Amino acid sequence: NAGVTQTPKFQVLKTGQSMTLQCAQDMNHEYMSWYRQDPGMGLRLIHYSVGAGITDQGEVPNGYNVSRSTTEDFPLRLLSAAPSQTSVYFCASSPGGLNYGYTFGSGTRLTVV
Amino acid sequence: RKEVEQDPGPFNVPEGATVAFNCTYSNSASQSFFWYRQDCRKEPKLLMSVYSSGNEDGRFTAQLNRASQYISLLIRDSKLSDSATYLCVVPGRVDSNYQLIWGAGTKLIIKP
Repeated sequence: NAGVTQTPKFQVLKTGQSMTLQCAQDMNHEYMSWYRQDPGMGLRLIHYSVGAGITDQGEVPNGYNVSRSTTEDFPLRLLSAAPSQTSVYFCASSPGGLNYGYTFGSGTRLTVV
Repeated sequence: RKEVEQDPGPFNVPEGATVAFNCTYSNSASQSFFWYRQDCRKEPKLLMSVYSSGNEDGRFTAQLNRASQYISLLIRDSKLSDSATYLCVVPGRVDSNYQLIWGAGTKLIIKP
């Protein structure tokens, strides 16, 4: 049981490049979320999904897109990377809503130069 | 006032001691509360969920004070392996979303 798998673990992008962060879970969880973590701040919600085919914006969605074609996968796409998107990105899943604990992937450390 | 506020620390504590830290929250309607631990350069991991007045799991006790809107985490007989950052999480509203709101964390260092 792998839990939540994120790839890549590290990435360096040039300003203006695009890329996709991959996230997959094998726990049949309906809820999946993408967060970014910056020094001195709490995790901030980028996008989330309550089930296949359903996505919605979180607190800081600008510059990111998501899709949820299957229950297992929830990729995050950076459209045109900017230095302000340098951060650690975590994907998380939950069996239900906000009253359940979340399982996190190991994170992607992204640097935009 | 921040939605979820934590003392950033660090708390430097000798091994075997008892340590407690608080988390204040602003959403008085919240019904569930969580503590996660995060090791350096790792992902957050769920430590405890609190749905009523408190919860206890071994050396860890979480207590909820609804009147004063804070939750506390108590660690007894602290171990070197308890060194981590502890994140407080409370559901609340951010703009138009009802979502989990994460504190910035309290750093705990257990010294031998």
